[in-house]
Amino acid sequence: KAGVTQTPRYLIKTRGQQVTLSCSPISGHRSVSWYQQTPGQGLQFLFEYFSETQRNKGNFPGRFSGRQFSNSRSEMNVSTLELGDSALYLCASSPVGGEAKNIQYFGAGTRLSVL
Amino acid sequence: GQQVMQIPQYQHVQEGEDFTTYCNSSTTLSNIQWYKQRPGGHPVFLIQLVKSGEVKKQKRLTFQFGEAKKNSSLHITATQTTDVGTYFCAVRMTTDSWGKLQFGAGTQVVVTP
Repeated sequence: KAGVTQTPRYLIKTRGQQVTLSCSPISGHRSVSWYQQTPGQGLQFLFEYFSETQRNKGNFPGRFSGRQFSNSRSEMNVSTLELGDSALYLCASSPVGGEAKNIQYFGAGTRLSVL
Repeated sequence: GQQVMQIPQYQHVQEGEDFTTYCNSSTTLSNIQWYKQRPGGHPVFLIQLVKSGEVKKQKRLTFQFGEAKKNSSLHITATQTTDVGTYFCAVRMTTDSWGKLQFGAGTQVVVTP
């Protein structure tokens, strides 16, 4: 099976712009989560989607949003970018059902630099 | 709210030595997962522990879940340079199916040959 695919891998934006990141989960996985990783804050949970519904949201401002499509692919959007949004954005998918739903399979991430 | 504390944050190990990293919670956990992230890479799932007192081994790695299910440890024996990376524990914050996922701050491991 192909792993979790994130596009693009690298992105450079300027303050005030918006950005959309894409994630294709492992085939058959219906749950997709997003994380922000920075050297100072570690892995911070953004949101989790299942069957096109947001199940959980982390403590991020409303500028961060996401959605999931019927094929389980997910996108996250950050509007009005700030310098502090520079980070590695990781997407993870997980199977549904039983204890396996807690296991996160991560993509390689999108490294966003805001100038 | 529920917090997961991981210690130490940084571990400098001589090749061949053993070391242990710990993950502690103030509340009872339903399960815990461990991940490894190599420098420049992404987190990779290692193991999930579910039962009280559970011990699982993967070659030189030994994972343990505390009897009270409030703490977990990862012990690596005879450390090798391939063990370099950051080790994270992760929990789902409630027993509810859709509780938030929380990762510990990670233990960054540096191995000296």
